[in-house]
Formats: sequence, structure tokens, C-alpha cells
Amino acid sequence: QVQLVESGGGVVQPRGSLRVSCVASGFTFSSFGMHWVRQAPGKGLEWVALIRYDGTKKQYADSVKGRFTISRDNSKNTLYLQMDSLRAEDSAIYFCAKSPRYYYDSSGHFDHWGQGTLVTVSS
Amino acid sequence: QSTLTQPPSVSGSPGQSVSISCTGTSGDVGYYNRVSWYQQPPGTAPKLILYDVTDRPSGVPDRFSGSKSGNTASLTISGLQAEDESDYYCGSYTSRGTWVFGGGTKLTVL
Repeated sequence: QVQLVESGGGVVQPRGSLRVSCVASGFTFSSFGMHWVRQAPGKGLEWVALIRYDGTKKQYADSVKGRFTISRDNSKNTLYLQMDSLRAEDSAIYFCAKSPRYYYDSSGHFDHWGQGTLVTVSS
Repeated sequence: QSTLTQPPSVSGSPGQSVSISCTGTSGDVGYYNRVSWYQQPPGTAPKLILYDVTDRPSGVPDRFSGSKSGNTASLTISGLQAEDESDYYCGSYTSRGTWVFGGGTKLTVL
């Protein structure tokens, strides 16, 4: 069955950097687009970024554009989110989520989610 | 990015039906039939329960149904059960090629 396991969260100072990872199993990782979605404590969901199945297209929310970079290593079945210039408002649980269709970026939903990794930006 | 508008809370008794609305704009909910709903019990990951407005993933009971009119989508849960108590989020693909979620609705089963 599909499994997505995030790691790499922790406490980082404002203006610092952190990279979180998501290891995928149970499906052909290299055939599906992948997303990062975050949730601040006690708040709603916020889409962060998409990467196409082959890494050739990346899209970002305005709130993170220019500071965050999504990437993937299909040989390791792993998705990454490099977060730079972190702010207090970036504190959240970061979930990786899978697109539902092969080789297609524009599905409206996410069919599987990881359990998330908590990132706290604080001095 | 703006969020879709959901009521903060709804409630109902076992066996009753409840509906949760999700209001967006002509650039998201009204633009495509790519509205989805997620169930998220506290401390867990979101779980997809409806997609493309009305479609259910396998394993989701048919007590969960969806609809859309203009810029507003709705989730209806019929035959309410105690296990349905959870947070619910709507989501939509947008005309900008991004994704947006609602602020979430807490469902209480009385």
C-alpha cells in the first residue's frame, strides 16, 4: 500500500534554513506528481508546492516563492523541500501528498498523505 | 493566497444529516469541477473522502456526498455516526494552476 514518511523537521531560528524529506513506497514514485502541504498549529491546510513526476515543472504558493525549493530524487523515491529565509509564520506541520494520476499535474485532489513533520521557527 | 470559506463549526445528532458549505470564486470552485473534501481527526493526516465534486474513493461510505452550484460546493453527511466527528476541509484547483483549501469545519456529533 502507499506509504509516505516525512522527516527532517525541527526547531530553526528565523532567517535560518531547513530541509525536510518524504520517502515514498508502495507505488511507482517516478510516475506521479508530488506536493507539499502545510498546517500551522490549530489552523487550516495551505498548499505549498508541486513538482512534476520528472521534476521538469515546479510550482509554488506566493507565500513561499523565492524562499522554498521543491525537488525529488526518483532513484531514491524521495521528495524534498528546502526551506530558506524561514519566518515565524512558516511554523507548521509539513505534509507530503501524492497526485492521483500518472503523468498529470492538474488533478484537483491529493489521494495519499504522509503523517507530517513539524517545523518550528523560533529564536 | 485566499482560502475558501467554510463555517467554523457544524453539529448534528446521530442519524441526522449535516451539510458543510465551501465558498470560493469563479477562479477556483466555480472554474473547474475539481473540488475535493478531506476528513482530519485531531492529530492525524487528512484523508480524501470526495474528489471532483461528487466522486468517492473506494472505501468511503456512500453516506458522504458532494454537490456544487456556482462558486459554492457542499459536503453532506447523512446518517451521522459518532465516528464522523472530525475536522473537514474542502480544496480546489484554481485557474492559476495552484491549489487552495478552506479554513476547515469542526463537526460535532451531539
